[in-house]
Amino acid sequence: DTEVTQTPKHLVMGMTNKKSLKCEQHMGHRAMYWYKQKAKKPPELMFVYSYEKLSINESVPSRFSPECPNSSLLNLHLHALQPEDSALYLCASSPRTGANQPQHFGDGTRLSIL
Amino acid sequence: DAKTTQPNSMESNEEEPVHLPCNHSTISGTDYIHWYRQLPSQGPEYVIHGLTSNVNNRMASLAIAEDRKSSTLILHRATLRDAAVYYCILRDGNNAGNMLTFGGGTRLMVKP
Repeated sequence: DTEVTQTPKHLVMGMTNKKSLKCEQHMGHRAMYWYKQKAKKPPELMFVYSYEKLSINESVPSRFSPECPNSSLLNLHLHALQPEDSALYLCASSPRTGANQPQHFGDGTRLSIL
Repeated sequence: DAKTTQPNSMESNEEEPVHLPCNHSTISGTDYIHWYRQLPSQGPEYVIHGLTSNVNNRMASLAIAEDRKSSTLILHRATLRDAAVYYCILRDGNNAGNMLTFGGGTRLMVKP
């Protein structure tokens, strides 16, 4: 069982829909992350939040909008996605963003865009 | 960023030790060596990390070469549950913006 909980586990949406992915952790971690993983590829970093503030955006298109309402929650708002955005979206957290800090991952939301 | 090189795949027998190699010849003095693994249909899982000295935890051991240009993840007794993709990743301790960058990893297959 993972200590990072992601909902929903699966999501199918049309290109005109608006939906949100949610991530929750109660380990007191102050760094949270979104990754995208295409089939048979390694995860790729999208966003980093440190102390509820966005610290890194890896040139992600604006149709992906992250939000960190408090230290335990991380959302990813989706709007006007394209079929190529179909992927596994992973959330992770770590105590801080430092290089010696292990990250704890959720099991992801598998997103399909019709 | 310093890069890592891992074999694409390895095979092991159940209940035998597994040594997963990682080359990082351009490693800098402040790079931490991290290992994660990803089981099928799951998110990545932290395994172990180290800087200069060998490290042991309940999951595995990390052996770091004296010149730090290579490292080996050791699973002491492989089980079927250890079949996964294993990623060796360097993270620069001097660069606040340096995050986890996953490479191709090694796909470990465990035979019963």
